[in-house]
Amino acid sequence: GAVVSQHPSRVICKSGTSVKIECRSLDFQATTMFWYRQFPKQSLMLMATSNEGSKATYEQGVEKDKFLINHASLTLSTLTVTSAHPEDSSFYICSAKPGRQTEAFFGQGTRLTVV
Amino acid sequence: ILNVEQSPQSLHVQEGDSTNFTCSFPSSNFYALHWYRWETAKSPEALFVMTLNGDEKKKGRISATLNTKEGYSYLYIKGSQPEDSATYLCVFDRGSTLGRLYFGRGTQLTVWP
Repeated sequence: GAVVSQHPSRVICKSGTSVKIECRSLDFQATTMFWYRQFPKQSLMLMATSNEGSKATYEQGVEKDKFLINHASLTLSTLTVTSAHPEDSSFYICSAKPGRQTEAFFGQGTRLTVV
Repeated sequence: ILNVEQSPQSLHVQEGDSTNFTCSFPSSNFYALHWYRWETAKSPEALFVMTLNGDEKKKGRISATLNTKEGYSYLYIKGSQPEDSATYLCVFDRGSTLGRLYFGRGTQLTVWP
């Protein structure tokens, strides 16, 4: 099946620094990728929709200046958490669908801890 | 806000027991219902994508049913094994051209040997 690769799987950073997370579709082109965040005991919540060659669409309550999304190619989307704070500590995961009538494929997720 | 509800939140069973989980979702704007299995430190893995009311799908010891008119789906595991331990996610798909999905919180299954 299709593969989505996400890196890093874990990152610990100091408060105030920025962290970049990469999401790659390895064997299909994805004009759209999705970034989710999951807090403990909560469901995956959509943060933003990443669109190749155009601006990302952010969900209500998600700061676009804090969570920078770049989708420069059909196989790569990046999420940068800028000026990270401890409250940004969470699990971030990306997904993409090769087509409308298919299941979604997920990256492995990134556990971000801001200290 | 679109709600996808899963129950129970967690489940502990003995090896060999059969078990089932419930997912409820909106009965309007339905396109597909996905079930995923999510093991710790791995990517969620698709089990089933169900689209038709009355669908029943089976993969080994795992099967699922779908009722789109009343907005629910059941996932069954027959003769649970320790390797079935995982979180099972129910995901509602409205069929948007962008592919946006709506997730339940999942049911965390632990199978004791």
